[in-house]
Amino acid sequence: AQSVTQLDSQVPVFEEAPVELRCNYSSSVSVYLFWYVQYPNQGLQLLLKYLSGSTLVKGINGFEAEFNKSQTSFHLRKPSVHISDTAEYFCAVSDYKTSYDKVIFGPGTSLSVIP
Amino acid sequence: GAGVSQSPRYKVAKRGQDVALRCDPISGHVSLFWYQQALGQGPEFLTYFQNEAQLDKSGLPSDRFFAERPEGSVSTLKIQRTQQEDSAVYLCASGTSGTYEQYFGPGTRLTVT
Repeated sequence: AQSVTQLDSQVPVFEEAPVELRCNYSSSVSVYLFWYVQYPNQGLQLLLKYLSGSTLVKGINGFEAEFNKSQTSFHLRKPSVHISDTAEYFCAVSDYKTSYDKVIFGPGTSLSVIP
Repeated sequence: GAGVSQSPRYKVAKRGQDVALRCDPISGHVSLFWYQQALGQGPEFLTYFQNEAQLDKSGLPSDRFFAERPEGSVSTLKIQRTQQEDSAVYLCASGTSGTYEQYFGPGTRLTVT
């Protein structure tokens, strides 16, 4: 069975500093990987996804993530954060064998940007 | 264009009451998902529809939970005889099959007292 671990439940960071949100997954098969963001009182929004090809994936709002198969990781990074990046971030996984787009979410990391 | 909408946004129910939560997906989206999100947790899969067919209901926590999408568009999640542990945000998402992109609604926050 697939599972997703997000080691940091809360990450405080100063404005304009870089940030990395960690994500590790466990799966016995090849996977697709995703990062979603949830702003307060809003639904989840897709930041980026890895399906195939280059292991470095660029998303919206200046975020990028790198797929590392040997370490089963998909960490999210941004070189310089803004106050508006304060939100909950969810890593998610889906496997090739599922006949539809079923996604399993991690527990989330709360990013707080400090002015 | 319009995104996914859900109603009501907030629902307070007394224990034992039945509730119905509505999801209006993006027009033309074949896939529809329901998730349950407890406070401080990630969304947990409940059920999946492809058009009007419910192809996976493995995440429904008990037989008190029932979902339908009779015409392949609007979906309703019904919870019978609500319990306190049902208190959560219920999220609906829709998508085009095969793209792995899900578009989420704002959720319905259910509080059972």
